[in-house]
Amino acid sequence: RKEVEQDPGPFNVPEGATVAFNCTYSNSASQSFFWYRQDCRKEPKLLMSVYSSGNEDGRFTAQLNRASQYISLLIRDSKLSDSATYLCVVNKADFGNEKLTFGTGTRLTIIP
Amino acid sequence: NAGVTQTPKFQVLKTGQSMTLQCAQDMNHEYMSWYRQDPGMGLRLIHYSVGAGITDQGEVPNGYNVSRSTTEDFPLRLLSAAPSQTSVYFCASSYPGLAGGISADTQYFGPGTRLTVL
Repeated sequence: RKEVEQDPGPFNVPEGATVAFNCTYSNSASQSFFWYRQDCRKEPKLLMSVYSSGNEDGRFTAQLNRASQYISLLIRDSKLSDSATYLCVVNKADFGNEKLTFGTGTRLTIIP
Repeated sequence: NAGVTQTPKFQVLKTGQSMTLQCAQDMNHEYMSWYRQDPGMGLRLIHYSVGAGITDQGEVPNGYNVSRSTTEDFPLRLLSAAPSQTSVYFCASSYPGLAGGISADTQYFGPGTRLTVL
């Protein structure tokens, strides 16, 4: 089983709709969680951190469920500019060194 | 502030050739890392450095060498290119996260180098 798993998609969603996707992680020692966004043929960029209490940034909401070991990303009122691949990143200490594990990404296309 | 820069943007090599991918950052970050990204595999850590003169292996170090003589530069050397090294290579720099180590929320990626090995 992969340490971090994501549904690769693609998710094709009409503009204005709400879309959500999950990311599961296997290591219960994982400590912090993030969503990155990667546009086609570009570098990944931090979208948002995921806090235990959940957090919201404009149209984006991230949630963490430690009991079931998954994080989620919800995008409301989707825009054409939201089309990208969304990477889940899990951060855990590994013998004193932080270890980042990236998911393979979920591809989202917003349709006009 | 240029951030993290990588050269070249594209490269085609023949099997057995060697080359160096360049990475530089102007943010005075302590940590630098090299990743490769392959379809269906996610980003995988090749080597990383926690400061000038200090490097360590990541998840997939075989076939690659690194050195860090300055804070700014972190070149990645392919010793003898193989088709399995065809990939997109990203360099990243970061400052310590809350726990003191590399953290995903303090990391900045360069634009990447697309490498094809024939």
